[in-house]
Amino acid sequence: DGGITQSPKYLFRKEGQNVTLSCEQNLNHDAMYWYRQDPGQGLRLIYYSQIVNDFQKGDIAEGYSVSREKKESFPLTVTSAQKNPTAFYLCASSTTATSGNTIYFGEGSWLTVV
Amino acid sequence: AQKITQTQPGMFVQEKEAVTLDCTYDTSDPSYGLFWYKQPSSGEMIFLIYQGSYDQQNATEGRYSLNFQKARKSANLVISASQLGDSAMYFCAMREVNTGGFKTIFGAGTRLFVKA
Repeated sequence: DGGITQSPKYLFRKEGQNVTLSCEQNLNHDAMYWYRQDPGQGLRLIYYSQIVNDFQKGDIAEGYSVSREKKESFPLTVTSAQKNPTAFYLCASSTTATSGNTIYFGEGSWLTVV
Repeated sequence: AQKITQTQPGMFVQEKEAVTLDCTYDTSDPSYGLFWYKQPSSGEMIFLIYQGSYDQQNATEGRYSLNFQKARKSANLVISASQLGDSAMYFCAMREVNTGGFKTIFGAGTRLFVKA
């Protein structure tokens, strides 16, 4: 089935460690996104990519890094520079053919700093 | 600058009644899209409805309709005949096409409670 796969679903990180969240899509979408959601809050854009080998910072990019080496993959690294990384992370994708595209989401990854 | 505002942190509605969730936006891009998503307690994001900036008519999808007032920059979601299963967080989102490079941002959300 087509969709977006995020892994792991739950991740624990020690302070000072980098962790990478995986996001893979088989929808043949050009655009991919990473959002952060804190409990009871909205989604905040971390990074987005419109095409392979290109990506832009969102509103809260500090302490995060991404790569887009393949169309289907958009991994997010939460670095030790991110001071409060405990949150729910959502990956999404969409086509860029027209503005009227549904944005498809993965099931999310819960990151907890211990 | 691209901005989305949802001013209602929480809303209550009686089962079978209609409810309107507010959303205002700000953009200088003439080409943009507006979305509404539902997020139940499970965390999944469920697409509800879409409105393009050039669409002449308000979008409708079953019990959901989008009241698009372009001059006022508002895109309110109307849910008719509320059901208990409609209790969830609802997010408004906007994508800028020309200037934003498909940058898509979300509002803070409105939590809807449907009462039996």
